[in-house]
Amino acid sequence: DTAVSQTPKYLVTQMGNDKSIKCEQNLGHDTMYWYKQDSKKFLKIMFSYNNKELIINETVPNRFSPKSPDKAHLNLHINSLELGDSAVYFCASSQAPGTSSGANVLTFGAGSRLTVL
Amino acid sequence: GQNIDQPTEMTATEGAIVQINCTYQTSGFNGLFWYQQHAGEAPTFLSYNVLDGLEEKGRFSSFLSRSKGYSYLLLKELQMKDSASYLCAVRDPAAGNKLTFGGGTRVLVKP
Repeated sequence: DTAVSQTPKYLVTQMGNDKSIKCEQNLGHDTMYWYKQDSKKFLKIMFSYNNKELIINETVPNRFSPKSPDKAHLNLHINSLELGDSAVYFCASSQAPGTSSGANVLTFGAGSRLTVL
Repeated sequence: GQNIDQPTEMTATEGAIVQINCTYQTSGFNGLFWYQQHAGEAPTFLSYNVLDGLEEKGRFSSFLSRSKGYSYLLLKELQMKDSASYLCAVRDPAAGNKLTFGGGTRVLVKP
């Protein structure tokens, strides 16, 4: 059973289109994240949700809108896609950071490679 | 703000030892993580340090000095499958406990 699964794995689309990436985790974690990894391999956090509530919102264009229908799902919708949006988007989950003395390790999904033409 | 630095690339020979350094400057600190990422795959967790000292896990060890803002990941008895990127990440409670990653160190293991 895949712990954090995201779909689609590959997405090729034209500039100006709207697309969504879905993410689901079956680990029972409270917190989910979206990270973006660009061509230089920098992994940057975009959003974090804890129990469906947005807790981290980095400086991301408002064309990106996360939605968390329940704590096991965090979807990412992107409007009016631009060339610079081409990247690999990783979903991740963990127990809520800071709520225990443990590491609250992030578990990542396999990534969704978005190519905007 | 957060600043995490690690070398871009390292090359080592199969069977050897490689040490990947990571220095960080963050407003707060609540743990340092090392992740391994093979090309085209997801990052996977390797180690976690929150107190000073060395944590050993088989062939991999990680060291932390909070006063120096410094960590290293030590890979022993290198195998070809260890060729990957190694990402250092720091959790900062002053930034909502988010995990901020360094740029990663690509390690190439040669026969």
